[in-house]
Amino acid sequence: EAGVAQSPRYKIIEKRQSVAFWCNPISGHATLYWYQQILGQGPKLLIQFQNNGVVDDSQLPKDRFSAERLKGVDSTLKIQPAKLEDSAVYLCASSLQGFSYNEQFFGPGTRLTVL
Amino acid sequence: LAKTTQPISMDSYEGQEVNITCSHNNIATNDYITWYQQFPSQGPRFIIQGYKTKVTNEVASLFIPADRKSSTLSLPRVSLSDTAVYYCLVGPDDKIIFGKGTRLHILP
Repeated sequence: EAGVAQSPRYKIIEKRQSVAFWCNPISGHATLYWYQQILGQGPKLLIQFQNNGVVDDSQLPKDRFSAERLKGVDSTLKIQPAKLEDSAVYLCASSLQGFSYNEQFFGPGTRLTVL
Repeated sequence: LAKTTQPISMDSYEGQEVNITCSHNNIATNDYITWYQQFPSQGPRFIIQGYKTKVTNEVASLFIPADRKSSTLSLPRVSLSDTAVYYCLVGPDDKIIFGKGTRLHILP
């Protein structure tokens, strides 16, 4: 079974530039999550989709971050404009359903460096 | 909102049994306890989940006392490859919170 795919794996940009990350979840998984993980901290949930609808985006900085999940399958997360503090690993995960007790399967992440 | 507390770090030696305890005093009746493992440069990986008493799989055991206010992840006979960060989560919940986890360092 193919796992969660993410691209790119690494990205270096300058502040005020824009960047986009892509995620393809495991086939059949209705729920998709984007996390931000700053070095030394645990993953922080940015947004949770159930199919193509948003379940929780309370921690998404909406003035600069946006995410979409068209057709309820793959998803993109965008940052525009980027700030230095956005340097982190961005993890995508998926699960069959959207409860926190459901096993989440994580992708390898995208490491973003903002200079 | 169920909140968890774990030790920040632990050291152990190869071949030892390691126990990591998580406190969750405000756990709700319908909450499960889930543990994830994260290696450097990888996403977290599900290890084990339980509701009460004891759960065991090929990787670990999870011990949950009757009051469910804490849980203990037990890793038998650890090896160097068990060096990772271990996260305790409690849910279902309206928020998915990983916390800082426990950084386990296995020494030769």
